[in-house]
Amino acid sequence: NAGVMQNPRHLVRRRGQEARLRCSPMKGHSHVYWYRQLPEEGLKFMVYLQKENIIDESGMPKERFSAEFPKEGPSILRIQQVVRGDSAAYFCASSQDRVNEQFFGPGTRLTVL
Amino acid sequence: GQQLNQSPQSMFIQEGEDVSMNCTSSSIFNTWLWYKQDPGEGPVLLIALYKAGELTSNGRLTAQFGITRKDSFLNISASIPSDVGIYFCAGHRGGSQGNLIFGKGTKLSVKP
Repeated sequence: NAGVMQNPRHLVRRRGQEARLRCSPMKGHSHVYWYRQLPEEGLKFMVYLQKENIIDESGMPKERFSAEFPKEGPSILRIQQVVRGDSAAYFCASSQDRVNEQFFGPGTRLTVL
Repeated sequence: GQQLNQSPQSMFIQEGEDVSMNCTSSSIFNTWLWYKQDPGEGPVLLIALYKAGELTSNGRLTAQFGITRKDSFLNISASIPSDVGIYFCAGHRGGSQGNLIFGKGTKLSVKP
């Protein structure tokens, strides 16, 4: 499967715990994007990364959220001290050269109890 | 943040019918994209449009990039049951900006 991979597909956390979401882009893609989707809503941009660099984090909440895309390994979206309002589907997308043509992974559904 | 206005919000289809949906914005986009999302899955790219006025087809799907750059429509001809799902439009402003701006989606269901 050459598509964007995300894991876990489902993640349950209690309030105050940390959530780590992983994303492996499509082969040959060096641009990674994270989006959040609430029920009955469209996707909302969070952050855009290239290898070892954050290019645009204008959609990231100022606290508790961070993202990285290391030289080796998947991109990680990290949410510290989760709250109920963090419950959502988190999608990762990747692109090759054109940042406007983004291909999405299957998402991670985060539930905060 | 800005969102695109997508309509209709939902519609019911009967097999064989043609379907139309559209997306409008108050500002200009350089790229319009249409995605389909099935329950529990990520959005799948259907069509990407890069030039104002461009009309592009993908099988039974046809989409157009509005001449003003502020709108786009998607048509599905001769719908079949597997067309049900949620269709999203997304716009990109251009340059090195990473973010796509999404509409709220059009939910296609089968007529009871």
